Amino acid sequence: GAGVSQSPSNKVTEKGKDVELRCDPISGHTALYWYRQSLGQGLEFLIYFQGNSAPDKSGLPSDRFSAERTGGSVSTLTIQRTQQEDSAVYLCASSRRGLIAGVGETQYFGPGTRLLVL
Amino acid sequence: DAKTTQPPSMDCAEGRAANLPCNHSTISGNEYVYWYRQIHSQGPQYIIHGLKNNETNEMASLIITEDRKSSTLILPHATLRDTAVYYCIAFFTSGTYKYIFGTGTRLKVLA
Repeated sequence: GAGVSQSPSNKVTEKGKDVELRCDPISGHTALYWYRQSLGQGLEFLIYFQGNSAPDKSGLPSDRFSAERTGGSVSTLTIQRTQQEDSAVYLCASSRRGLIAGVGETQYFGPGTRLLVL
Repeated sequence: DAKTTQPPSMDCAEGRAANLPCNHSTISGNEYVYWYRQIHSQGPQYIIHGLKNNETNEMASLIITEDRKSSTLILPHATLRDTAVYYCIAFFTSGTYKYIFGTGTRLKVLA
């Protein structure tokens, strides 16, 4: 079946503008994850959804970042008042059951959204 | 926050075993070690994970030291398509679900 999809694939914005990044997980996957990868850096975990709820938001870098998930499916990551340091590739992943009882499982990643803040 | 530590780069001859080390000296309790890789321009790909025992699947083997402070990912017969950045991740469950990624090891498989 179809994999994880993200849109847009590329986004260029001006400092101070708001951006919305979208993720469509694999159908039927309960868990959804957002990461980002800055140039020269490793992957950074941002937030995780189990269904529509986010048990842990502490990975979000600042209060300018927010995310929601509706209907147990699509998720939107919103960055308000973007800064140049927000420039990165934002990756979304999904998994079948999620982080239950401390046991992880395979996460399937989308192709990412490349965000450039000028 | 505790991090995993990996060498920045490694080379391996095609057909030989690639042994990728990772230090996670502050890992404790029920924290798992996960390995992912990222091939240029693609999203990360899950490889393997483990807790205490050594693990093997169709892609790789994972050797975890008895004290769990380090691990080694083994690709038994590396191919050119295994050229990628390999990330070792310690999965911390201390009230948060937070994967902490390092900068990974850039593995180059040479023909």
